[in-house]
Amino acid sequence: GIQVEQSPPDLILQEGANSTLRCNFSDSVNNLQWFHQNPWGQLINLFYIPSGTKQNGRLSATTVATERYSLLYISSSQTTDSGVYFCAVEWGTDKLIFGTGTRLQVFP
Amino acid sequence: GAVVSQHPSWVICKSGTSVKIECRSLDFQATTMFWYRQFPKQSLMLMATSNEGSKATYEQGVEKDKFLINHASLTLSTLTVTSAHPEDSSFYICSASGGGRGTQYFGPGTRLTVL
Repeated sequence: GIQVEQSPPDLILQEGANSTLRCNFSDSVNNLQWFHQNPWGQLINLFYIPSGTKQNGRLSATTVATERYSLLYISSSQTTDSGVYFCAVEWGTDKLIFGTGTRLQVFP
Repeated sequence: GAVVSQHPSWVICKSGTSVKIECRSLDFQATTMFWYRQFPKQSLMLMATSNEGSKATYEQGVEKDKFLINHASLTLSTLTVTSAHPEDSSFYICSASGGGRGTQYFGPGTRLTVL
């Protein structure tokens, strides 16, 4: 099956710092999404981004489908950005395959 | 819009008992629902996909007799963990979509602890 790997696995930042999270996938996919899982476990969809670049406030994402990777940029990080970030790829019919995750901690 | 709820949010049970978890789409009709399991500090793993009115499709390695899924209506799917054991302790998350290539909307999850 498809492999979805994220890096780094853990990231510790001070408030105000910028960061880049990476998602690599091993096969062609129909779609790619980025999620933030908050400390209570709720998944929040950040981006649908099968290709190209999108921005939403301090967050932006870029997917290069031909090279099978996606990047999530977080600028001016805040403590509320803490949690786990997952990419998930749509492979086959409606199935979402989640990546390994990046655990982000932002300290004041 | 597109709210998915789960009940209960957490449950503690004794080994050998069965536990039922409900997943509801509150403001849309969910033709397809998905059940995921997440162990501590790990990723989400898809357990099964269910379509309203038909049998669930289980992922490889998931015991269908242990994890019973019923998608009886367009707004409700249930996951029953039968004869639960400590190794079944996990965070169970459901999602729902309106079908086709539709968006999946995720519930808040249910934390199961089996003593």
